[in-house]
Amino acid sequence: DGGITQSPKYLFRKEGQNVTLSCEQNLNHDAMYWYRQDPGQGLRLIYYSQIVNDFQKGDIAEGYSVSREKKESFPLTVTSAQKNPTAFYLCASRMQGTTTEAFFGQGTRLTVV
Amino acid sequence: AQSVTQLDSQVPVFEEAPVELRCNYSSSVSVYLFWYVQYPNQGLQLLLKYLSGSTLVKGINGFEAEFNKSQTSFHLRKPSVHISDTAEYFCAVGRNRDDKIIFGKGTRLHILP
Repeated sequence: DGGITQSPKYLFRKEGQNVTLSCEQNLNHDAMYWYRQDPGQGLRLIYYSQIVNDFQKGDIAEGYSVSREKKESFPLTVTSAQKNPTAFYLCASRMQGTTTEAFFGQGTRLTVV
Repeated sequence: AQSVTQLDSQVPVFEEAPVELRCNYSSSVSVYLFWYVQYPNQGLQLLLKYLSGSTLVKGINGFEAEFNKSQTSFHLRKPSVHISDTAEYFCAVGRNRDDKIIFGKGTRLHILP
């Protein structure tokens, strides 16, 4: 079945550590996105990529980094520079340049301990 | 700048009663509109989308939405809700020129017995 897989579902991190969240899709989508979700704040865009080896900052990119070395993969690294990383992270993908909807993974809940 | 406003953060409604979740958007360019549903600790699932054509859009689970260009609104409605509709609902607007999808802050639907 085609879809988007995020792993792990739950992640615990000690303060000061970097951590990488995985996002893989087999939908052959060009565009991929990372959103952060906090209660009452909706989804806020962290980074997005429209093509391999290229990505753009979203609204809250500080403290995060991404790479897009393969079309199907768009990992997100939460660095120690992110002051409040505890949140639910959602990865999405969609066909580029069309009026199609985004497809979402099941999310990763990151908790800093 | 483009934005999406969901006018109610929470909406309580009795089971089998009708419900309307409100969404207004602002944009100076052509847009396409979505409603997504999120069940606890899961990703987002598309309910319906408006691209062009008929202003009344039907989606899954008995939901429908009406696009009103003059009022820049895209309200979601269901004539009779069920306990299984308990979830958070997100309105979103997309645009072609940069592949971004902008989300509202969400409306939590509480179904009362």
